[in-house]
Amino acid sequence: DVKVTQSSRYLVKRTGEKVFLECVQDMDHENMFWYRQDPGLGLRLIYFSYDVKMKEKGDIPEGYSVSREKKERFSLILESASTNQTSMYLCASSGWDREREKLFFGSGTQLSVL
Amino acid sequence: QKEVEQDPGPLSVPEGAIVSLNCTYSNSAFQYFMWYRQYSRKGPELLMYTYSSGNKEDGRFTAQVDKSSKYISLFIRDSQPSDSATYLCAMRFGNEKLTFGTGTRLTIIP
Repeated sequence: DVKVTQSSRYLVKRTGEKVFLECVQDMDHENMFWYRQDPGLGLRLIYFSYDVKMKEKGDIPEGYSVSREKKERFSLILESASTNQTSMYLCASSGWDREREKLFFGSGTQLSVL
Repeated sequence: QKEVEQDPGPLSVPEGAIVSLNCTYSNSAFQYFMWYRQYSRKGPELLMYTYSSGNKEDGRFTAQVDKSSKYISLFIRDSQPSDSATYLCAMRFGNEKLTFGTGTRLTIIP
């Protein structure tokens, strides 16, 4: 069974803290993604990576960075957390199934920045 | 104007009813259309995938695409309480990234 695992379900951090969100996939997928999900705004792409050590900015990269040192692991970093980064963060990886690219999501990390 | 518009609901219907969920879009280049289902406190999971106009059926679910009207729908027949979830439409063209709708929260009342 395919699996995308996010290290934390809930996190509470203080403004200005450095925050690491970890994601691991066991499907040997090359592409991995970080989204944030907010009510009324839907899913917005922060960063994605199509290979080890490669990264591309998504729609809202400001205030975030990422790291992909190994194929199975994709980390999202908030250099200095702010209250407007309180959100649900979803990691995903994608693979091809019968000529269709399919996204597999983790269960999400609900981050609260106080 | 957003590229993809989806009514956020919430939508509540009695068990057994037919549910209709809809999205409109503005980018005529979109080729691939998906519906994701997201249960509370879980990540989205792919429910339906279509790449042409017309209908695609899978069990109680039917996905419909009308490219001329830039309109897609998901129909759920004989709705069950287990169908209660948020449904997100998503679409893309070529190898571009997915564009998601905001999601519709659906509750099926027993």
